[in-house]
Amino acid sequence: GNSVTQMEGPVTLSEEAFLTINCTYTATGYPSLFWYVQYPGEGLQLLLKATKADDKGSNKGFEATYRKETTSFHLEKGSVQVSDSAVYFCALSARDDKIIFGKGTRLHILP
Amino acid sequence: KAGVTQTPRYLIKTRGQQVTLSCSPISGHRSVSWYQQTPGQGLQFLFEYFSETQRNKGNFPGRFSGRQFSNSRSEMNVSTLELGDSALYLCASSLAAGRQETQYFGPGTRLLVL
Repeated sequence: GNSVTQMEGPVTLSEEAFLTINCTYTATGYPSLFWYVQYPGEGLQLLLKATKADDKGSNKGFEATYRKETTSFHLEKGSVQVSDSAVYFCALSARDDKIIFGKGTRLHILP
Repeated sequence: KAGVTQTPRYLIKTRGQQVTLSCSPISGHRSVSWYQQTPGQGLQFLFEYFSETQRNKGNFPGRFSGRQFSNSRSEMNVSTLELGDSALYLCASSLAAGRQETQYFGPGTRLLVL
C-alpha cells in the first residue's frame, strides 16, 4: 500500500543553520506530495506541495523537489529561525485520493 | 475569510459513551475530511465527505461515523468510546475533492476518554 517515511526527530539546530528533513514515499502511479507544518497547539498548515515529477514546491524559504527516480520529497531551508520550531509532516495523495501522512519530525531551533 | 472551525475544542468522556464532533469548513469549500492524531499512530485518515456523500473511508471500525450537511458542515460521531479513542481529531476542508486539492485544517478537538 501507499506509505510515507520521514526521518525521526527531534531535530535540533542552531538559528541560521541549514535544514534538511528527509521524506521518501511508496505509491502507485503519480501521487501529489505535500509538506504540512504544525505549530504548538494548532492544527496543520500546508507549507508547500508538488503535483508532478521534478516540480519544486516553495514557501517561506522552504523548498522541496518531487524526485520520482528516488521517490523522495526532502524538505530544505537555507537558514532556519527560532520561529520555524514546529512539527513537520510529509504527506502524499495517490490514486485513491486518501492523504497518507508520515509520522512527523519535531524541529527545535536554538537561538 | 474565516478558517475551519471545530467544536468543541476539548472534551472529556467516559468509556462506553458516545460523542459528536462538529466541523464548519471554509466558506465555499465542499469537501471535508476527518483525521485522528495520536502520539503512537500519528495522523490517520478517517473519512472524506463531498456534497453530502462519503467519498472515501479509512481503516477505522464502524463505531466511527460521519455525515455532511447541505451547507457543507460536517459532524463526526464515535459510539461506545474506548480508552484508545483519546486523540486529537482534526477536520480539514478543501474547495473540491481530488488528490491535488489543498486541505485547510482546523485547530482540532482534543478528546480524552476516561
